[in-house]
Amino acid sequence: NAGVMQNPRHLVRRRGQEARLRCSPMKGHSHVYWYRQLPEEGLKFMVYLQKENIIDESGMPKERFSAEFPKEGPSILRIQQVVRGDSAAYFCASSPPGQARSYTFGSGTRLTVV
Amino acid sequence: AQRVTQPEKLLSVFKGAPVELKCNYSYSGSPELFWYVQYSRQRLQLLLRHISRESIKGFTADLNKGETSFHLKKPFAQEEDSAMYYCALSGNTPLVFGKGTRLSVIA
Repeated sequence: NAGVMQNPRHLVRRRGQEARLRCSPMKGHSHVYWYRQLPEEGLKFMVYLQKENIIDESGMPKERFSAEFPKEGPSILRIQQVVRGDSAAYFCASSPPGQARSYTFGSGTRLTVV
Repeated sequence: AQRVTQPEKLLSVFKGAPVELKCNYSYSGSPELFWYVQYSRQRLQLLLRHISRESIKGFTADLNKGETSFHLKKPFAQEEDSAMYYCALSGNTPLVFGKGTRLSVIA
Protein backbone atom coordinates (compact mmCIF):
# COMPACT_ATOMS: atom_id res chain seq x y z
CA ASN A 1 0.00 0.00 0.00
CA ALA A 2 1.64 3.21 -1.18
CA GLY A 3 -0.01 5.35 1.45
CA VAL A 4 -1.35 8.81 0.77
CA MET A 5 0.34 10.20 -2.32
CA GLN A 6 0.62 13.91 -2.92
CA ASN A 7 2.11 15.57 -5.96
CA PRO A 8 3.94 17.57 -6.78
CA ARG A 9 6.22 17.70 -3.72
CA HIS A 10 7.30 21.21 -4.63
CA LEU A 11 5.44 23.72 -6.76
CA VAL A 12 6.57 27.19 -7.75
CA ARG A 13 4.07 29.62 -9.21
CA ARG A 14 4.23 33.27 -10.15
CA ARG A 15 1.68 35.62 -8.67
CA GLY A 16 -1.56 35.38 -10.59
CA GLN A 17 -1.05 31.82 -11.84
CA GLU A 18 -3.09 28.81 -10.82
CA ALA A 19 -1.85 26.05 -8.55
CA ARG A 20 -3.24 22.51 -8.64
CA LEU A 21 -2.34 20.14 -5.84
CA ARG A 22 -3.22 16.48 -6.09
CA CYS A 23 -3.88 13.90 -3.42
CA SER A 24 -4.47 10.19 -3.93
CA PRO A 25 -5.82 8.62 -0.72
CA MET A 26 -4.80 5.25 0.60
CA LYS A 27 -6.49 2.31 -1.02
CA GLY A 28 -9.87 1.78 0.58
CA HIS A 29 -10.03 5.27 2.06
CA SER A 30 -12.98 7.37 1.00
CA HIS A 31 -12.49 10.45 3.17
CA VAL A 32 -9.99 13.16 2.27
CA TYR A 33 -8.92 16.17 4.32
CA TRP A 34 -6.78 19.12 3.28
CA TYR A 35 -4.69 21.13 5.75
CA ARG A 36 -2.43 24.13 5.30
CA GLN A 37 0.74 24.50 7.34
CA LEU A 38 2.15 27.97 7.79
CA PRO A 39 5.29 28.76 9.78
CA GLU A 40 4.49 29.29 13.46
CA GLU A 41 0.83 28.46 12.81
CA GLY A 42 0.61 24.69 12.88
CA LEU A 43 -1.89 22.91 10.67
CA LYS A 44 -5.12 24.62 9.75
CA PHE A 45 -8.04 22.58 8.50
CA MET A 46 -9.29 23.61 5.08
CA VAL A 47 -11.78 21.11 3.69
CA TYR A 48 -13.17 17.61 4.18
CA LEU A 49 -14.41 15.63 1.19
CA GLN A 50 -15.87 12.28 0.38
CA LYS A 51 -16.25 10.96 -3.14
CA GLU A 52 -18.09 13.61 -5.18
CA ASN A 53 -19.15 15.49 -2.03
CA ILE A 54 -17.79 18.36 0.01
CA ILE A 55 -18.66 17.57 3.61
CA ASP A 56 -17.07 20.50 5.44
CA GLU A 57 -15.36 23.48 3.83
CA SER A 58 -15.43 25.74 6.84
CA GLY A 59 -11.68 26.30 6.66
CA MET A 60 -11.50 27.24 3.01
CA PRO A 61 -10.91 30.87 2.07
CA LYS A 62 -14.03 32.21 0.40
CA GLU A 63 -12.29 33.21 -2.81
CA ARG A 64 -9.78 31.61 -5.16
CA PHE A 65 -9.71 28.24 -3.36
CA SER A 66 -11.68 25.18 -4.40
CA ALA A 67 -11.46 21.44 -3.87
CA GLU A 68 -12.92 18.36 -5.42
CA PHE A 69 -12.79 14.61 -5.00
CA PRO A 70 -14.23 13.05 -8.13
CA LYS A 71 -15.58 9.55 -8.45
CA GLU A 72 -12.42 8.56 -10.29
CA GLY A 73 -8.99 10.03 -9.73
CA PRO A 74 -7.30 12.04 -7.03
CA SER A 75 -8.59 14.86 -4.92
CA ILE A 76 -7.58 18.26 -6.27
CA LEU A 77 -7.00 21.45 -4.31
CA ARG A 78 -7.05 24.36 -6.70
CA ILE A 79 -5.83 27.85 -5.96
CA GLN A 80 -6.55 30.46 -8.57
CA GLN A 81 -4.61 33.72 -8.99
CA VAL A 82 -2.08 32.80 -6.34
CA VAL A 83 -0.60 35.46 -4.09
CA ARG A 84 2.54 35.41 -1.94
CA GLY A 85 0.48 34.69 1.14
CA ASP A 86 -0.57 31.34 -0.34
CA SER A 87 3.00 30.08 0.05
CA ALA A 88 2.77 27.19 2.51
CA ALA A 89 2.89 23.46 2.84
CA TYR A 90 -0.40 21.78 1.98
CA PHE A 91 -1.05 18.39 3.51
CA CYS A 92 -3.67 15.89 2.59
CA ALA A 93 -4.91 13.10 4.85
CA SER A 94 -7.28 10.23 4.25
CA SER A 95 -9.30 7.92 6.42
CA PRO A 96 -11.35 4.80 5.80
CA PRO A 97 -15.14 4.71 5.90
CA GLY A 98 -16.44 4.29 9.41
CA GLN A 99 -13.12 5.35 10.94
CA ALA A 100 -13.19 9.04 10.31
CA ARG A 101 -10.68 9.71 13.08
CA SER A 102 -7.95 7.41 11.72
CA TYR A 103 -6.00 9.84 9.58
CA THR A 104 -3.02 8.97 7.40
CA PHE A 105 -1.12 11.96 6.06
CA GLY A 106 0.68 12.48 2.79
CA SER A 107 4.12 14.05 2.48
CA GLY A 108 2.67 17.39 1.50
CA THR A 109 3.11 19.86 -1.33
CA ARG A 110 5.23 22.90 -0.66
CA LEU A 111 3.88 25.80 -2.67
CA THR A 112 6.09 28.81 -3.25
CA VAL A 113 4.65 31.87 -4.91
CA VAL A 114 7.23 34.20 -6.42
CA ALA B 1 -15.62 25.61 19.82
CA GLN B 2 -12.81 23.13 19.64
CA ARG B 3 -9.38 24.43 20.51
CA VAL B 4 -5.97 22.93 21.20
CA THR B 5 -3.25 24.89 22.96
CA GLN B 6 0.40 23.96 23.03
CA PRO B 7 1.99 26.70 25.11
CA GLU B 8 5.61 25.98 24.21
CA LYS B 9 6.92 26.71 20.71
CA LEU B 10 10.31 25.24 21.51
CA LEU B 11 11.48 22.86 24.17
CA SER B 12 15.15 22.02 24.54
CA VAL B 13 16.30 19.19 26.80
CA PHE B 14 19.50 17.27 27.27
CA LYS B 15 19.77 13.67 26.17
CA GLY B 16 18.62 11.40 28.97
CA ALA B 17 16.51 14.09 30.63
CA PRO B 18 12.75 13.72 31.06
CA VAL B 19 10.46 15.36 28.54
CA GLU B 20 6.97 16.76 28.93
CA LEU B 21 5.20 18.45 26.04
CA LYS B 22 2.11 20.26 27.20
CA CYS B 23 -1.28 20.18 25.53
CA ASN B 24 -4.54 21.65 26.75
CA TYR B 25 -7.83 21.46 24.94
CA SER B 26 -11.23 23.04 24.91
CA TYR B 27 -14.27 20.99 23.94
CA SER B 28 -17.63 20.60 25.60
CA GLY B 29 -18.20 16.97 24.61
CA SER B 30 -16.10 13.81 24.85
CA PRO B 31 -13.04 14.38 22.73
CA GLU B 32 -10.57 12.00 21.24
CA LEU B 33 -6.98 13.23 21.62
CA PHE B 34 -3.93 12.44 19.54
CA TRP B 35 -0.24 13.23 19.34
CA TYR B 36 1.38 13.47 15.91
CA VAL B 37 5.10 13.81 15.18
CA GLN B 38 6.75 15.40 12.16
CA TYR B 39 10.44 14.75 11.55
CA SER B 40 12.36 17.32 9.53
CA ARG B 41 9.61 18.39 7.06
CA GLN B 42 8.38 14.86 6.52
CA ARG B 43 4.78 13.76 6.71
CA LEU B 44 2.95 13.80 9.99
CA GLN B 45 2.87 10.44 11.69
CA LEU B 46 0.49 9.36 14.38
CA LEU B 47 2.43 8.86 17.58
CA LEU B 48 -0.35 7.83 19.90
CA ARG B 49 -4.04 8.28 20.69
CA HIS B 50 -5.54 8.42 24.14
CA ILE B 51 -8.03 5.61 23.65
CA SER B 52 -5.21 3.18 22.92
CA ARG B 53 -3.39 3.88 26.18
CA GLU B 54 -0.22 2.59 24.58
CA SER B 55 3.40 3.64 24.71
CA ILE B 56 5.13 4.37 21.43
CA LYS B 57 8.89 5.00 21.29
CA GLY B 58 8.79 5.42 25.05
CA PHE B 59 6.21 8.22 24.92
CA THR B 60 3.00 8.15 26.93
CA ALA B 61 0.12 10.58 27.34
CA ASP B 62 -2.78 10.52 29.76
CA LEU B 63 -6.03 12.32 29.20
CA ASN B 64 -6.92 14.42 32.23
CA LYS B 65 -10.51 15.56 31.76
CA GLY B 66 -10.49 17.63 34.95
CA GLU B 67 -7.56 19.71 33.73
CA THR B 68 -8.50 19.29 30.05
CA SER B 69 -4.94 18.25 29.32
CA PHE B 70 -3.18 15.57 27.32
CA HIS B 71 0.50 16.09 28.03
CA LEU B 72 3.08 13.95 26.25
CA LYS B 73 5.84 12.48 28.41
CA LYS B 74 8.99 10.47 28.04
CA PRO B 75 11.29 9.63 30.94
CA PHE B 76 14.59 9.73 29.01
CA ALA B 77 14.92 11.85 25.86
CA GLN B 78 16.96 10.61 22.92
CA GLU B 79 18.50 12.62 20.10
CA GLU B 80 16.23 10.97 17.54
CA ASP B 81 13.22 12.39 19.38
CA SER B 82 14.05 15.84 17.99
CA ALA B 83 11.03 16.79 15.87
CA MET B 84 7.83 18.84 15.78
CA TYR B 85 5.07 17.46 17.95
CA TYR B 86 1.43 18.31 17.38
CA CYS B 87 -1.43 17.66 19.72
CA ALA B 88 -4.79 17.17 17.98
CA LEU B 89 -8.39 16.87 19.02
CA SER B 90 -11.27 15.14 17.29
CA GLY B 91 -14.72 16.18 18.43
CA ASN B 92 -17.57 16.74 16.04
CA THR B 93 -15.39 18.18 13.28
CA PRO B 94 -12.22 17.10 11.46
CA LEU B 95 -9.04 17.04 13.51
CA VAL B 96 -8.07 20.32 15.11
CA PHE B 97 -4.35 20.79 15.69
CA GLY B 98 -2.34 22.85 18.10
CA LYS B 99 0.45 25.05 16.78
CA GLY B 100 3.05 22.48 17.65
CA THR B 101 6.10 22.27 19.87
CA ARG B 102 9.56 21.78 18.47
CA LEU B 103 11.51 19.40 20.66
CA SER B 104 15.27 19.69 20.47
CA VAL B 105 17.30 17.05 22.28
CA ILE B 106 20.84 18.16 22.94
CA ALA B 107 23.62 15.60 23.11
